[in-house]
Amino acid sequence: NAGVTQTPKFQVLKTGQSMTLQCAQDMNHEYMSWYRQDPGMGLRLIHYSVGAGITDQGEVPNGYNVSRSTTEDFPLRLLSAAPSQTSVYFCASSRTDANTGELFFGEGSRLTVL
Amino acid sequence: SQKIEQNSEALNIQEGKTATLTCNYTNYSPAYLQWYRQDPGRGPVFLLLIRENEKEKRKERLKVTFDTTLKQSLFHITASQPADSATYLCALAASGAGSYQLTFGKGTKLSVIP
Repeated sequence: NAGVTQTPKFQVLKTGQSMTLQCAQDMNHEYMSWYRQDPGMGLRLIHYSVGAGITDQGEVPNGYNVSRSTTEDFPLRLLSAAPSQTSVYFCASSRTDANTGELFFGEGSRLTVL
Repeated sequence: SQKIEQNSEALNIQEGKTATLTCNYTNYSPAYLQWYRQDPGRGPVFLLLIRENEKEKRKERLKVTFDTTLKQSLFHITASQPADSATYLCALAASGAGSYQLTFGKGTKLSVIP
């Protein structure tokens, strides 16, 4: 049972570089989201998607782009990395028809921007 | 503005005792509240959900209460064990919000001392 898979687990970037954090889920979940977790700040929602072709902004979307071309994949793009984007990023998914709304999280991607 | 507060950043408790963690919120009309467990270097894992019209939920040694008048949820772990040591996050889903736009508290780090 793979669940939610994130790659890479660790990444170091220089300011201004671009990269994509990959997220894939094999549970046929319609809802997917990206959070960032910073010390003392808790988890904050960046972007989310309620299905293929549909994305929307969360609490802290600036500097990030997303797309949802398939149910399984929800990549997060940093177009021009900044030191403020140093964080641990979590992808999560859930069924939209679930009574619980339980989120299934990946193991995280730790990003350092120098 | 909407706010979620978990009463303390860290809580130390003796093995065998009951651990009680608090989650308070303001300016929310929550549809439901969830609790997650997060181990170091791992993604959060769902534990329990309680809806606005429910007072209490139990799962094995875990118990959650929800008081919408006090705007507070209590999370109890009875007969605590060292293996319960982790960070516990509460998360709210607001009524009328977009699908599953959970907002997380900063977490309480629980240490169970043998």
